[in-house]
Amino acid sequence: DGGITQSPKYLFRKEGQNVTLSCEQNLNHDAMYWYRQDPGQGLRLIYYSQIVNDFQKGDIAEGYSVSREKKESFPLTVTSAQKNPTAFYLCASSQTSGLDTQYFGPGTRLTVL
Amino acid sequence: AQSVTQPDIHITVSEGASLELRCNYSYGATPYLFWYVQSPGQGLQLLLKYFSGDTLVQGIKGFEAEFKRSQSSFNLRKPSVHWSDAAEYFCAVGAGDDKIIFGKGTRLHILP
Repeated sequence: DGGITQSPKYLFRKEGQNVTLSCEQNLNHDAMYWYRQDPGQGLRLIYYSQIVNDFQKGDIAEGYSVSREKKESFPLTVTSAQKNPTAFYLCASSQTSGLDTQYFGPGTRLTVL
Repeated sequence: AQSVTQPDIHITVSEGASLELRCNYSYGATPYLFWYVQSPGQGLQLLLKYFSGDTLVQGIKGFEAEFKRSQSSFNLRKPSVHWSDAAEYFCAVGAGDDKIIFGKGTRLHILP
C-alpha cells in the first residue's frame, strides 16, 4: 500500500535531549511537510521541502531541524533549543506543491519529561 | 497574508440531522480552499477542495462545501450525519507561496 509512515507513534524523552522523528513516503511525491499540532491550535507548519536537498522554514521552525537527502524521507529533529516540544507531530506529502492534496501520516506524539 | 477562521470550537448534532461547519478566510484574490478531517489520534484526510469553477464542491463521505466570495466563506455541509462522522474538521486556505494555512479546527460530536 502506498502511503506515509511515521515512527514511533509515541516517544518519550528527557528534557535537554535531541530527538529525531521519522517520516517516510512511497507515493513518489516531491513535496514533504512537518506540522505541529497542539490542542485548540490547529496545525502549524514547521518545515517543508519541495525537492531533495532543499527545504524551507515554516512558521515555527525555531528549535527544529530537518534534512531531505532522499525523496522518500524527511526526518525532523527536535532539538534541546525547542522550549516546549511536547506535542503531536504530523508529516505530510504532496505531488509537487502545498496546494495539491496533502497526504498525512498517522503522527508521532512526543512527550518531553 | 492569508488567514482562516473557524468560529465554532465544538459542534454537537444528533445522528441523522444536518450539519454545517463554518469557515471564513482572509485573502485578497481567489484562494485555494480545503476541508480536512482528523479522527482521534490520526492524521488528516482531505474531504474536498476548491480552486476555481463551480462554487459548490462535492467531496468524499457525502460532504459538500460552497464557496461564497461575497461572504469570504467556505462552509462544509452534510445533509445527514452518521456516528462515524464524529471527528475534528479543519478548514485550510492556500495562496501562491505553495503553503496552506489551517484553521484551529471544529470538533464534531454526534448524539445517538
